[in-house]
Amino acid sequence: LAKTTQPISMDSYEGQEVNITCSHNNIATNDYITWYQQFPSQGPRFIIQGYKTKVTNEVASLFIPADRKSSTLSLPRVSLSDTAVYYCLVGGYKYIFGTGTRLKVLA
Amino acid sequence: DTGVSQDPRHKITKRGQNVTFRCDPISEHNRLYWYRQTLGQGPEFLTYFQNEAQLEKSRLLSDRFSAERPKGSFSTLEIQRTEQGDSAMYLCASSPVGGGEQFFGPGTRLTVL
Repeated sequence: LAKTTQPISMDSYEGQEVNITCSHNNIATNDYITWYQQFPSQGPRFIIQGYKTKVTNEVASLFIPADRKSSTLSLPRVSLSDTAVYYCLVGGYKYIFGTGTRLKVLA
Repeated sequence: DTGVSQDPRHKITKRGQNVTFRCDPISEHNRLYWYRQTLGQGPEFLTYFQNEAQLEKSRLLSDRFSAERPKGSFSTLEIQRTEQGDSAMYLCASSPVGGGEQFFGPGTRLTVL
């Protein structure tokens, strides 16, 4: 199973765009890239999933280069409520979570 | 509420006692997963079911742990002879058989004294 590497933490200010990059050098052909958000004492919540190129939904965009060895989650105009841990996952049915990126949004 | 539910939300027990947790997945989801999460770490995969069949178990799941999904709907996770190291959040998730997004429940926080 592919292992992912993300920054341990990031700080941002309200209204800014935040980009979190994840490395997954050993991603397999069939693997999808999925991002989750987790608040303290809650289960992870799905943000976005993609296989290649760019995916956008109402809350985020996911950029995946052609070699798929990395991906970037983009959160437009973050607010204080976006302070959370963000996990990048690759794989099929079985998710391997790393330690995630702790995003802190400052006023 | 049509999301994944878990019961209880919190459990405090003494070392050596047995505990059982329940997970009710989203009704049309065939796959059900259990994860364990300790403080400061991401969730760790424990096991997963497709309908009533337990298809994979992590090596993290010692002999004291057992999970069932008898009718392919709700699932239970039992821990026998609890140890302090079992203190963690136990998360359940479900997904359709085709894969894709896993929907997580709120978790059961276990504290072993």
